[in-house]
Amino acid sequence: NAGVTQTPKFQVLKTGQSMTLQCAQDMNHNSMYWYRQDPGMGLRLIYYSASEGTTDKGEVPNGYNVSRLNKREFSLRLESAAPSQTSVYFCASSQPPVEKLFFGSGTQLSVL
Amino acid sequence: AQSVTQLGSHVSVSEGALVLLRCNYSSSVPPYLFWYVQYPNQGLQLLLKYTSAATLVKGINGFEAEFKKSETSFHLTKPSAHMSDAAEYFCAVSYYSSASKIIFGSGTRLSIRP
Repeated sequence: NAGVTQTPKFQVLKTGQSMTLQCAQDMNHNSMYWYRQDPGMGLRLIYYSASEGTTDKGEVPNGYNVSRLNKREFSLRLESAAPSQTSVYFCASSQPPVEKLFFGSGTQLSVL
Repeated sequence: AQSVTQLGSHVSVSEGALVLLRCNYSSSVPPYLFWYVQYPNQGLQLLLKYTSAATLVKGINGFEAEFKKSETSFHLTKPSAHMSDAAEYFCAVSYYSSASKIIFGSGTRLSIRP
């Protein structure tokens, strides 16, 4: 079983460039998430999608957009990357209300 | 606002000693509470979860946590630390009213001294 698959694993961008992080899950989960992890700050929720067709802002949505393309896929877009968006990004999925999060392997993004 | 606070960004204990990692949540409504662990260069895995059943929750690897409504706390404990417990631990919360929105604390790095 693949679980949650994120691409790419590594990316270097220049300030102002755009990119899309892709995420797909094969567990038929309703909810999907994008988090960023920074030292000393834990995981911060960027956006989440409680179910297909819905998306909601998390704690740090500024500078990001998301698309829940279908039940399997949830993408995160940086329209104009900034150095403050240098981070490790994790996609996750779950079957609410109390099932655990399944995480992708992460994307290490550097914005120069 | 939904939030969770982890007191102590770094905790160091001797092998065999009690492990206590602190987590407090902010809410007047019933929460779901979770502890996750992240080993170096790995993803997060669930240790245990509280879902309003028993207030004392047992998880994997000998960890347990107790939900205390009066203190709005969900501290993680293990009676005897092993070297293999060295990792970063995250408390997380969601609420019945918005069960899909899961917020993490800032994490506590646990070091084990030989």
